[in-house]
Amino acid sequence: GENVEQHPSTLSVQEGDSAVIKCTYSDSASNYFPWYKQELGKRPQLIIDIRSNVGEKKDQRIAVTLNKTAKHFSLHITETQPEDSAVYFCAASKGGGGADGLTFGKGTHLIIQP
Amino acid sequence: DAGITQSPRHKVTETGTPVTLRCHQTENHRYMYWYRQDPGHGLRLIHYSYGVKDTDKGEVSDGYSVSRSKTEDFLLTLESATSSQTSVYFCAISARDSYNEQFFGPGTRLTVL
Repeated sequence: GENVEQHPSTLSVQEGDSAVIKCTYSDSASNYFPWYKQELGKRPQLIIDIRSNVGEKKDQRIAVTLNKTAKHFSLHITETQPEDSAVYFCAASKGGGGADGLTFGKGTHLIIQP
Repeated sequence: DAGITQSPRHKVTETGTPVTLRCHQTENHRYMYWYRQDPGHGLRLIHYSYGVKDTDKGEVSDGYSVSRSKTEDFLLTLESATSSQTSVYFCAISARDSYNEQFFGPGTRLTVL
């Protein structure tokens, strides 16, 4: 089955700096890669996603890049703010729409230092 | 939050007792999922459903069963709870037929003593 590795497990950055979280996946059939943000005691919230026919996608201060050849994808957060502090999860899924679960990485605890 | 509720939100039970968790959606989405979240493991898929009475196993299905008798409800049952099933359980839904955009419920914190 699919295996998703996520690094680093903890990332501490100064407010205003950029943060990058990286994930690799094992199954070349995976074609959908979402990122979730989870605050303490809350549900995971979808913040951005990318499909395998796209190399990069941006939404304001966040962006995701995908390298299908190397089987890795990354989340980039620019101009970090205190409210960006949370645990971030990457995930991967194969085609066929919803008839397949998401395989998650183990998460990155992002800490924004004031 | 995408019209998903879970009940109960918190439960404490004893080893060996049966437990049923409920996920209810108001979105009429076809796909529903159960995940468990444990420290150091992220979220792992237990079971999922792709329609009424259509379900399949996920990565960590041992000790769990599911049922979906109507579109809006997806039940997760622990037939005989064990301490290793202490976890936070999240339900998710997806409407997409082309890619797997999922939205999560608020979660149920289950403690098995």
